[in-house]
Amino acid sequence: DGGITQSPKYLFRKEGQNVTLSCEQNLNHDAMYWYRQDPGQGLRLIYYSQIVNDFQKGDIAEGYSVSREKKESFPLTVTSAQKNPTAFYLCASSIISRGTEAFFGQGTRLTVV
Amino acid sequence: DQQVKQNSPSLSVQEGRISILNCDYTNSMFDYFLWYKKYPAEGPTFLISISSIKDKNEDGRFTVFLNKSAKHLSLHIVPSQPGDSAVYFCAASGRQGGSEKLVFGKGTKLTVNP
Repeated sequence: DGGITQSPKYLFRKEGQNVTLSCEQNLNHDAMYWYRQDPGQGLRLIYYSQIVNDFQKGDIAEGYSVSREKKESFPLTVTSAQKNPTAFYLCASSIISRGTEAFFGQGTRLTVV
Repeated sequence: DQQVKQNSPSLSVQEGRISILNCDYTNSMFDYFLWYKKYPAEGPTFLISISSIKDKNEDGRFTVFLNKSAKHLSLHIVPSQPGDSAVYFCAASGRQGGSEKLVFGKGTKLTVNP
């Protein structure tokens, strides 16, 4: 079955540690996105990528890093520089054609203690 | 600067009545608009979309209207059902800086009461 998979669903980390969230898709989509959801804030764009080895910052990229070494994979690293890392993180993918919908993973709830 | 705005954080309607969710955008480069439905602790799922060359798109109980001059769109659900209770996100896409960007509003929580 085709889809987009985020793992793990729940993640706990100590303050000051970097943590990497996984996002894999087998939909052959060129574009991939990372969003963060906080209560009352909707979905805010962290990073997005439209092609392998290329990515752009979204609206809240500070404290995050990404890589796009393979078309299927777009991991997000939450670094110790991110001041408020506890949130629900969503990964999405879409084909490049204009106006196509994005498909979302099930999300990762990151809690930093 | 919020480019996609959903000014109503919540909406409550009776089962069988119409639900109207509103969305405004500020950036003229957006030319495609989408509505997503989201349940807690899950990823959003696509509901319906509309291109800027149209002013209406209908799919079953869901209709999206676009007023390009007012930079406003709305989602109508009729008749509303209790299973429609969820958070609805409006999203807009367009080419910016050579890349296709997808921007979301803050969402509106819809509650349909039996």
